[in-house]
Amino acid sequence: EPEVTQTPSHQVTQMGQEVILRCVPISNHLYFYWYRQILGQKVEFLVSFYNNEISEKSEIFDDQFSVERPDGSNFTLKIRSTKLEDSAMYFCASSEALERYQAFFGQGTRLTVV
Amino acid sequence: SQKIEQNSEALNIQEGKTATLTCNYTNYSPAYLQWYRQDPGRGPVFLLLIRENEKEKRKERLKVTFDTTLKQSLFHITASQPADSATYLCALPGEYSGAGSYQLTFGKGTKLSVIP
Repeated sequence: EPEVTQTPSHQVTQMGQEVILRCVPISNHLYFYWYRQILGQKVEFLVSFYNNEISEKSEIFDDQFSVERPDGSNFTLKIRSTKLEDSAMYFCASSEALERYQAFFGQGTRLTVV
Repeated sequence: SQKIEQNSEALNIQEGKTATLTCNYTNYSPAYLQWYRQDPGRGPVFLLLIRENEKEKRKERLKVTFDTTLKQSLFHITASQPADSATYLCALPGEYSGAGSYQLTFGKGTKLSVIP
């Protein structure tokens, strides 16, 4: 069964460093998302991406964050200068055109900022 | 702004019984509502979607109801098994979803434990 894959599964970085989280969405999907979940809290929307541009972003997604779809398969989230409060599980998700409301999530990248 | 509440943080039930989880929402009239399952350290997994014009939807041992007057959805697992133990998340379309973005707003979830 097709799935969303994320790498790495765990990333430890020093405060102030840049990180890039990578995702390979399901191949025929058109809508792409990043969510995050701080430990013990709810899953929160960060950004959606459609037709090679950001279609919506939340208040969390400030200038420190950026997304890119550099080729036909990868979808990345970059955090330019990480803060301690960026420590969370980051989930990539995608959905297809016909069942666009149903999101398929990856297994997540646990980001730890020290 | 929209708010989602899932009534209990944790629910313990005996194997074989029916688990009932509640999701309430305010300040919103969603066109649909979804339920996801999340295991520890894993991403949410889609279970069911119910639209505003549907009262009930079933999938195997799962049943979801949607009462737009009460602004409430109930999620039932019949003949529960220990393997059903997980956190169950209620999700609504995000505030600005549509036109290229179908993002979700999640509740905090209810952690279900099915005791053998």
